[in-house]
Amino acid sequence: KAGVTQTPRYLIKTRGQQVTLSCSPISGHRSVSWYQQTPGQGLQFLFEYFSETQRNKGNFPGRFSGRQFSNSRSEMNVSTLELGDSALYLCASSPLGYSYNSPLHFGNGTRLTVT
Amino acid sequence: DAKTTQPPSMDCAEGRAANLPCNHSTISGNEYVYWYRQIHSQGPQYIIHGLKNNETNEMASLIITEDRKSSTLILPHATLRDTAVYYCIVRAESNFGNEKLTFGTGTRLTIIP
Repeated sequence: KAGVTQTPRYLIKTRGQQVTLSCSPISGHRSVSWYQQTPGQGLQFLFEYFSETQRNKGNFPGRFSGRQFSNSRSEMNVSTLELGDSALYLCASSPLGYSYNSPLHFGNGTRLTVT
Repeated sequence: DAKTTQPPSMDCAEGRAANLPCNHSTISGNEYVYWYRQIHSQGPQYIIHGLKNNETNEMASLIITEDRKSSTLILPHATLRDTAVYYCIVRAESNFGNEKLTFGTGTRLTIIP
């Protein structure tokens, strides 16, 4: 079974630009969540989608948004990029929705560098 | 939510069992213990999870103490590919809606040939 696929793998943008990251979950998984990982802050929750609806949202500004399509694929958008947005962005999928007895399976992430 | 404490680093000889400890002394009854590992430049890889009983899968075994205040991840026959940072986390129902999923600093496990 194919794992969680994230594209692109690496991205370099300049301040003020916007960026869209893509995530394809494991086949049959309906929950997709996004995380930002930085050396200083560790792994922080951005938001979670289930059946095209955003169910949970972390403490990030409105510049960070996402959506999920009917085939469970998800995109994350960051507008007006800032230097501090440089991070590894991880997507995770889960088979049973966002349940605490349901493991999250992560992709290898998109490394975003903002210059 | 419960915090976890792990040793910053450990070494293990190739072919031996690697035993990684985790303390979660403030864990509450509805919190699951999860283990992930992360190899540089890759996403965290799910290993195993449990609530109160010991668990085993094709990758590892998880031993949770009876009082649930600590757990041990066991990699039965460590290989060089097991070199990674291992994270022990707890996931709580009380955080549903805004889960932090804080991985902490983890244990850097180095398998020695």
